[in-house]
Amino acid sequence: GAGVSQSPSNKVTEKGKDVELRCDPISGHTALYWYRQSLGQGLEFLIYFQGNSAPDKSGLPSDRFSAERTGGSVSTLTIQRTQQEDSAVYLCASSWAFRGADTEAFFGQGTRLTVV
Amino acid sequence: AQTVTQSQPEMSVQEAETVTLSCTYDTSENNYYLFWYKQPPSRQMILVIRQEAYKQQNATENRFSVNFQKAAKSFSLKISDSQLGDTAMYFCAFGAGSYQLTFGKGTKLSVIP
Repeated sequence: GAGVSQSPSNKVTEKGKDVELRCDPISGHTALYWYRQSLGQGLEFLIYFQGNSAPDKSGLPSDRFSAERTGGSVSTLTIQRTQQEDSAVYLCASSWAFRGADTEAFFGQGTRLTVV
Repeated sequence: AQTVTQSQPEMSVQEAETVTLSCTYDTSENNYYLFWYKQPPSRQMILVIRQEAYKQQNATENRFSVNFQKAAKSFSLKISDSQLGDTAMYFCAFGAGSYQLTFGKGTKLSVIP
């Protein structure tokens, strides 16, 4: 597709269950980001993939959170044993490295996760 | 590490008036890019305007313009002739080379009829 695609759009899960959130970046983009946004708040950085380099996982809030990017394309964010404080919108973005004149990050529409 | 600071959590402006949103950043990089993103209630992040640090001329996109002060590390957004559709969260962001894109905490702008 032409843009960044995230699925599902909305997810309701029971506390303690595991969830997987998917991001399809724009084809060819080397960089992929995951952010978390609580209601009315700013963007909390979670993890950053850049090409074949080791991902920057410094933003992951706990070891219940993990992410992988297969073949340099699709990424999956996994949250194990979900807690109510995990409820938020999870945003994915992709870009080229910031060297070109027209570089920008493109965002998906996010996954709204609700833990009940 | 790069940091981005938006010191105005919330702002309001009368329709048709002009408003300026502030952003400062800190970096040791010389070549970098600065962005303003808009996030309306639909939550889709939209690029408003982009500035390359090596360009001295301030970027302009229709009613949106920036005041880029490289020495002061300041990057403010001016919205002229504010419209109701400008009501949104606005995020300032910094990108350089292969570093991650760094965002400020955002400014919630309300345009009042």
